[in-house]
Amino acid sequence: DAGVIQSPRHEVTEMGQEVTLRCKPISGHNSLFWYRQTMMRGLELLIYFNNNVPIDDSGMPEDRFSAKMPNASFSTLKIQPSEPRDSAVYFCASRIKGSPLHFGNGTRLTVT
Amino acid sequence: KNEVEQSPQNLTAQEGEFITINCSYSVGISALHWLQQHPGGGIVSLFMLSSGKKKHGRLIATINIQEKHSSLHITASHPRDSAVYICAVQNTGNQFYFGTGTSLTVIP
Repeated sequence: DAGVIQSPRHEVTEMGQEVTLRCKPISGHNSLFWYRQTMMRGLELLIYFNNNVPIDDSGMPEDRFSAKMPNASFSTLKIQPSEPRDSAVYFCASRIKGSPLHFGNGTRLTVT
Repeated sequence: KNEVEQSPQNLTAQEGEFITINCSYSVGISALHWLQQHPGGGIVSLFMLSSGKKKHGRLIATINIQEKHSSLHITASHPRDSAVYICAVQNTGNQFYFGTGTSLTVIP
């Protein structure tokens, strides 16, 4: 079991650029979560999918953020255009009912 | 309004000491999770519990559903236990509420 795989590990980009974060959940897990972690606010849910369907996207900051899950083994989180205040660590996590959350190693995003 | 409150926020201990981190919550839950995050690292699930007590090595987690309170204990603490410990509660669905974490430093 390779765990939840996120890419890239680090991303540095300039304000206004498009950023795409990727996540491969653990095989067999049917729930996938995108979280953002900052020093000020801790872990915040952005969106979660159940069986590839977005269930709760109330945490998505604004229209600049979008997430997709085209199949059970892949999800993307896109920010367009990026802003300095988007700088944070973005975690993807997956689980199946009755199991704990399994987190990826995160993507550290820096927007200059 | 924070659904999950942790204390203390920061904790420094000498190697070998017994450590307790507390978590109180205000929502109905189906499970409570304790997570560990090393500096610059990923997040690892330590425990998932809905009642009673669980033990894994030197780590013990307890929960009191009536009092809406959980504790994480570390016995014989070691510098490698230095990390941020996060309490999270899960409702009956897939909604998780996270505490702000307790930063633990264990000094040799």
